[in-house]
Amino acid sequence: GDSVTQMEGPVTLSEEAFLTINCTYTATGYPSLFWYVQYPGEGLQLLLKATKADDKGSNKGFEATYRKETTSFHLEKGSVQVSDSAVYFCALSLDSGSARQLTFGSGTQLTVLP
Amino acid sequence: DAGITQSPRHKVTETGTPVTLRCHQTENHRYMYWYRQDPGHGLRLIHYSYGVKDTDKGEVSDGYSVSRSKTEDFLLTLESATSSQTSVYFCAISAQGRTFFGQGTRLTVV
Repeated sequence: GDSVTQMEGPVTLSEEAFLTINCTYTATGYPSLFWYVQYPGEGLQLLLKATKADDKGSNKGFEATYRKETTSFHLEKGSVQVSDSAVYFCALSLDSGSARQLTFGSGTQLTVLP
Repeated sequence: DAGITQSPRHKVTETGTPVTLRCHQTENHRYMYWYRQDPGHGLRLIHYSYGVKDTDKGEVSDGYSVSRSKTEDFLLTLESATSSQTSVYFCAISAQGRTFFGQGTRLTVV
């Protein structure tokens, strides 16, 4: 079945460090790919997305490129801030019948220290 | 938040009791979902709905039932709660090519 494998956490960085969170996927079709962020005590918020190969999603300094050849969608940010501390989820959707069911990775806890 | 309200936000219940969680939306979206979030598993789809009285199972539907008698409400019922159903439950809706999540319900089964 379809699945998402995400870099194990937790990840702890100093402010202004470079961030990479790895994400690879297995899918039978051509999925759309997403990164969601969850701040403490809140629901998930869409951070960025890409719907086809070589698309780059970006938002709030975060970027991820849809790599079909390596089935990857790694999340990067050049300089993290304390406010980026959260749990990050990679997800895919094959859009079955227009219902955007999401398959999630296990999540990566990021802590940024001042 | 796309007008999604979950209730209750927190609940503690005993093993074997029935529990119903409610998801209410204010924007008339067609597609609604229930997910559960557990450490090491991310979020997993329990059930979803694509219209009034139209529902289907997700990845982890055993022990759960749902109902949608009105567009705005999607109910998740645990007929007889078990400790393995201790989790955080999220309702979600799909709109404009995106999925929006509610704030979550933390359910503890003791």
